[in-house]
Amino acid sequence: NAGVTQTPKFQVLKTGQSMTLQCAQDMNHNSMYWYRQDPGMGLRLIYYSASEGTTDKGEVPNGYNVSRLNKREFSLRLESAAPSQTSVYFCASRYLPSSTDTQYFGPGTRLTVL
Amino acid sequence: DAKTTQPPSMDCAEGRAANLPCNHSTISGNEYVYWYRQIHSQGPQYIIHGLKNNETNEMASLIITEDRKSSTLILPHATLRDTAVYYCIVRVGISSGSARQLTFGSGTQLTVLP
Repeated sequence: NAGVTQTPKFQVLKTGQSMTLQCAQDMNHNSMYWYRQDPGMGLRLIYYSASEGTTDKGEVPNGYNVSRLNKREFSLRLESAAPSQTSVYFCASRYLPSSTDTQYFGPGTRLTVL
Repeated sequence: DAKTTQPPSMDCAEGRAANLPCNHSTISGNEYVYWYRQIHSQGPQYIIHGLKNNETNEMASLIITEDRKSSTLILPHATLRDTAVYYCIVRVGISSGSARQLTFGSGTQLTVLP
């Protein structure tokens, strides 16, 4: 049981390039999330998917798109990367219909945009 | 979500119990207490949660005072790998299909000393 996995672990992009961050979970969780964490700061929610087939914006969605490919996979796309998107990106998942808000996180993708 | 207050840092000797306090004096009756931790450069990790009663799992114990205004996370036999920032979060239970950003405060930096 791998939990939440993310690829790649590290990525360097030039301004304007595009890329997709991949996330998969094998816990049969319904909800999945994408967060970013800047140095010395807390998590900020980019997008989430409450269940397969649905996605919604979080606090900081500009410059990103997401796809909930199936129940297991939730990808985050940067169409035209900017230096302000340099950050660590975490994917998380949560089991529904639990009423508690326990989220399980992946190891993160460290992205640098030059 | 109720505000929480944690000491900024604590030390603990390896093999001893680490007791991390959290104040949440404005907690309401339907709010849960959650504990997460973040080891340097890794994704946040769920530890434990509780509503009223004390809870124990394979990682830790959670002691909630009778008035629910404070709680203590106990790591019974701390190891060097437990060095991390520990976050106490208070949140209401949520309904299926909803999703909310998980917001960490500044937390407590626990350093386990050899």
